Amino acid sequence: DIQLTQSPSFLSASVGDRVTITCRASQGISTYLAWYQQKPGKAPKLLIYAASTLQSGVPSRFSGSGSGTELTLTISSLQPEDFATYYCQQLKSYPFTFGPGTKVDIK
Amino acid sequence: EVQLVESGGGLVQPGGSLRLSCAASGFTFSEYYMDWVRQAPGEGLEWVGRIRRKVDSYTTEHAASVKGRSTISRDDSNNSLYLQLNSLKTEDTAVYYCSRVRCVTWGCGLDVWGQGTTVTVSS
Repeated sequence: DIQLTQSPSFLSASVGDRVTITCRASQGISTYLAWYQQKPGKAPKLLIYAASTLQSGVPSRFSGSGSGTELTLTISSLQPEDFATYYCQQLKSYPFTFGPGTKVDIK
Repeated sequence: EVQLVESGGGLVQPGGSLRLSCAASGFTFSEYYMDWVRQAPGEGLEWVGRIRRKVDSYTTEHAASVKGRSTISRDDSNNSLYLQLNSLKTEDTAVYYCSRVRCVTWGCGLDVWGQGTTVTVSS
């Protein structure tokens, strides 16, 4: 199975900060990676798929990059509604594993 | 409005069975692969399984944690997705989400999610 790690696991940031979350895969996954945002008690929301394709309706401050074993999610200017947990998921090979999550909290 | 609504969760004793349902609306259900994802209390997301389309013979994939105990099926005429879970264990306690798979040539994502249904396995 492909293992995903995320760093950091927790970050404290302020409104307006640029935030980068890294997802590392145990083997190459090309661009078969998606990023999700989840708020407490809610279903996950797709932000980015195919590593860098912005899901319709998602603000342009979210962007994804990378391929292979290291991929990143960047929030260019953190907004109050962005405080949440972020997960990456590989959809390269079964089982489609998720990363452990990165919780973004208010500084 | 594109929507997925799960149902069928509840309290089940260890060793029991449960059938979860997911009602789809607002899109052509038969054209999409569909996934199940679960989340144990206070934990991260775990992919459970996938069912493909009729043109793909409705083939399925399952996570190792549920393989042999789970059946994923769909009824395209009723825009419904199902997850049958047998021999339930306490570690199956989770919120179960159904989701729609969206793909482009260079990757996929789960673009529509239901609100989730809670399964609690306890004696």
